Amino acid sequence: GDSVTQMEGPVTLSEEAFLTINCTYTATGYPSLFWYVQYPGEGLQLLLKATKADDKGSNKGFEATYRKETTSFHLEKGSVQVSDSAVYFCALCDYNAGNNRKLIWGLGTSLAVNP
Amino acid sequence: DARVTQTPRHKVTEMGQEVTMRCQPILGHNTVFWYRQTMMQGLELLAYFRNRAPLDDSGMPKDRFSAEMPDATLATLKIQPSEPRDSAVYFCASGLGQNTGELFFGEGSRLTVL
Repeated sequence: GDSVTQMEGPVTLSEEAFLTINCTYTATGYPSLFWYVQYPGEGLQLLLKATKADDKGSNKGFEATYRKETTSFHLEKGSVQVSDSAVYFCALCDYNAGNNRKLIWGLGTSLAVNP
Repeated sequence: DARVTQTPRHKVTEMGQEVTMRCQPILGHNTVFWYRQTMMQGLELLAYFRNRAPLDDSGMPKDRFSAEMPDATLATLKIQPSEPRDSAVYFCASGLGQNTGELFFGEGSRLTVL
């Protein structure tokens, strides 16, 4: 079945450092790809998405590009802030899966940014 | 500001007691998901409704868990009897049927079973 693999955390960075969180997927169809973020004590919220190959999703300084050839959707940010400390989840959804259309989640990567 | 509302936010109970968690999805959303989050297992899908009909509850222990949508504005998750291993944060999320990858999550119900 479809699956998502994320790099293990925790990731610890200093403020203004460059961030990459790796995400790769396996899918039989042509899924849409997502990054969600969970701040401490809160529910998950959609950060960005990409619906087809070579699409780039971006939001709040974060970016991720849908790479079909490497089946990847790595999350990047050029300069992290303390407020970016959170858990980041990569996910896919195959919209051709009929009634089985639902998100497949990675395990999450915890990011801690120190001042 | 539309959001998913979950109650209770925190619940401490003793083993064997019944627990009911409630969720009010965003008005107009027709898909509702229940997830459980623990440190060990991560995010697990328990149940999934579209237009109030259950589509997938394969992740839910059927002997003690039940999920329902009595109407479009209320989803419930019930555990009876509860056990210590049910201790977790339970999230409800809602979305629109054509975009089930774009979900709006509630703040969660943190359950502790002693």
